[in-house]
Amino acid sequence: GAGVSQSPRYKVTKRGQDVTLRCDPISSHATLYWYQQALGQGPEFLTYFNYEAQPDKSGLPSDRFSAERPEGSISTLTIQRTEQRDSAMYRCASSLGGQGRGDTQYFGPGTRLTVL
Amino acid sequence: QQPVQSPQAVILREGEDAVINCSSSKALYSVHWYRQKHGEAPVFLMILLKGGEQKGHEKISASFNEKKQQSSLYLTASQLSYSGTYFCGTHSGGYQKVTFGTGTKLQVIP
Repeated sequence: GAGVSQSPRYKVTKRGQDVTLRCDPISSHATLYWYQQALGQGPEFLTYFNYEAQPDKSGLPSDRFSAERPEGSISTLTIQRTEQRDSAMYRCASSLGGQGRGDTQYFGPGTRLTVL
Repeated sequence: QQPVQSPQAVILREGEDAVINCSSSKALYSVHWYRQKHGEAPVFLMILLKGGEQKGHEKISASFNEKKQQSSLYLTASQLSYSGTYFCGTHSGGYQKVTFGTGTKLQVIP
């Protein structure tokens, strides 16, 4: 696609419910990132994919968080048994990939998650 | 370790210059700069690679001191459109992970 898209843009859920967020990266991009961004703060790394491989998930806060990218394109981030502290903006970014020193990331509009 | 940016906030009048600094405790392979306007996604400005290569914005310049693990972003003749929060992102080798800094909020006033 022309840019990175995310859905839903806003999600309100009750504590204890599971939520799944979706990211559709730029079609030619091999690398896809997930970030959590608190208001006024920089994006905080959660995990990333190179195609369908997930080399680094060190930023996932707990085992309630998981992500997948089964066909190397669209990715989902699932949060199980949500807690109020999970409330944040979740951003996805994609890049061409293949650059050993990091390359330009194109960010999506984000999903604002509110856990009541 | 999150890179530290300074200043945390700055207010400029149109036409004035600013420097934003980014400092890391780790050896760096590259430094990335992004600008984020309120309510919007971060937008790429520039990437500086170890060895001196730069890719990015025509009207913004930056430096990368590999030995000191520091980078500076130079905004000259600022325009109202420069307002926003600037983030540096550092890559310290190992896969593709980029760690974003604490942010610098820049406001340009008429």
